[in-house]
Amino acid sequence: GAGVSQSPSNKVTEKGKDVELRCDPISGHTALYWYRQSLGQGLEFLIYFQGNSAPDKSGLPSDRFSAERTGGSVSTLTIQRTQQEDSAVYLCASSGVSRGKETQYFGPGTRLLVL
Amino acid sequence: AQSVTQLDSHVSVSEGTPVLLRCNYSSSYSPSLFWYVQHPNKGLQLLLKYTSAATLVKGINGFEAEFKKSETSFHLTKPSAHMSDAAEYFCVVNTGGFKTIFGAGTRLFVKA
Repeated sequence: GAGVSQSPSNKVTEKGKDVELRCDPISGHTALYWYRQSLGQGLEFLIYFQGNSAPDKSGLPSDRFSAERTGGSVSTLTIQRTQQEDSAVYLCASSGVSRGKETQYFGPGTRLLVL
Repeated sequence: AQSVTQLDSHVSVSEGTPVLLRCNYSSSYSPSLFWYVQHPNKGLQLLLKYTSAATLVKGINGFEAEFKKSETSFHLTKPSAHMSDAAEYFCVVNTGGFKTIFGAGTRLFVKA
């Protein structure tokens, strides 16, 4: 079946512009995560959605970052007034139970470059 | 080809006893290695990372890991388990740039 998809795969923008990154989770997965990975670094947790509960926004680095999840499915991560340090790969993951175990499935990521 | 193998899908220990979570990797390059923890209903949290400095890496919550190139291992240890350590642990390899490979995860159970 289809996995987690993200769009666009690559995005180049100018400093100060807003960008929107999209994530389509696996159908039926109630949990959705956004992470950021800077060059050569580990994953940085950004935000977590679980069903209809209020999202865990504790990882968002500044108020320029926001995310929403409409209808419990597709999620959009928005970065306003982008800065060069926002350049990274943004990964989305959704999770569900497989063989009795909660498993996280990652999308291919969106590579963001802020010039 | 690069790969990560976590040798145990589940580990169960008693509170106060040592923890050992095993990870072996395969990489053509000098890798960066990471351990992450994920508690229920939480995102991944970085425990520690190895990036070609000291081979013994200390992380948060009393965890540490030793990079052994000859054994291609990066096992995670903790001298004394706490109930709050019960979670899923992921060993991760970054082989350069943005390419990241996750292990399958090890679920740690801690018995009172």
